Amino acid sequence: AQKVTQAQTEISVVEKEDVTLDCVYETRDTTYYLFWYKQPPSGELVFLIRRNSFDEQNEISGRYSWNFQKSTSSFNFTITASQVVDSAVYFCALSGSARQLTFGSGTQLTVLP
Amino acid sequence: DVKVTQSSRYLVKRTGEKVFLECVQDMDHENMFWYRQDPGLGLRLIYFSYDVKMKEKGDIPEGYSVSREKKERFSLILESASTNQTSMYLCASSSADMNTEAFFGQGTRLTVV
Repeated sequence: AQKVTQAQTEISVVEKEDVTLDCVYETRDTTYYLFWYKQPPSGELVFLIRRNSFDEQNEISGRYSWNFQKSTSSFNFTITASQVVDSAVYFCALSGSARQLTFGSGTQLTVLP
Repeated sequence: DVKVTQSSRYLVKRTGEKVFLECVQDMDHENMFWYRQDPGLGLRLIYFSYDVKMKEKGDIPEGYSVSREKKERFSLILESASTNQTSMYLCASSSADMNTEAFFGQGTRLTVV
């Protein structure tokens, strides 16, 4: 069985602060994919990033960056210089050989002006 | 523009009714998923399918069944709706090899009274 844990239920920061969202996963597969999605108050799920298990390079996209560490089974997401528009629920997800796509429970991020 | 379409945005059903939630995708995806989303619990996988007429139980299949007679359509069935099945239901699809993200429908808010 595979599992995704997002231990931070809610995080609140003040605008321009940096914030890191944690994601820890469990799987027996050697080939798997990790994802981050954003769910703003409007409700639709917005895809942010996909990473496969063989690519441990960190990724940066504008103010967003992701740190993938197989040694600790973690795929953490950092927002630099947060903005009010970053307020949303963020989900980490995992897909392995059985094709099941498992989500974590999500982290509610609130960025205060 | 790729699309996953759920047949209803809002539904109100009575306890004991048989309920059908329909999902159609136009991307020729092999994988399709049904989730329910409840506050604080994230997206929990009910069932998924990786091919026509194939189905696999997710983490919370009790009280639900599914049907996939055609590749583009995946139906979620509540045989006898109960109040604890009041929730937001999300359908998603993805390619077999997960080389892209999963795409989500807009969700169906089901209320069982």
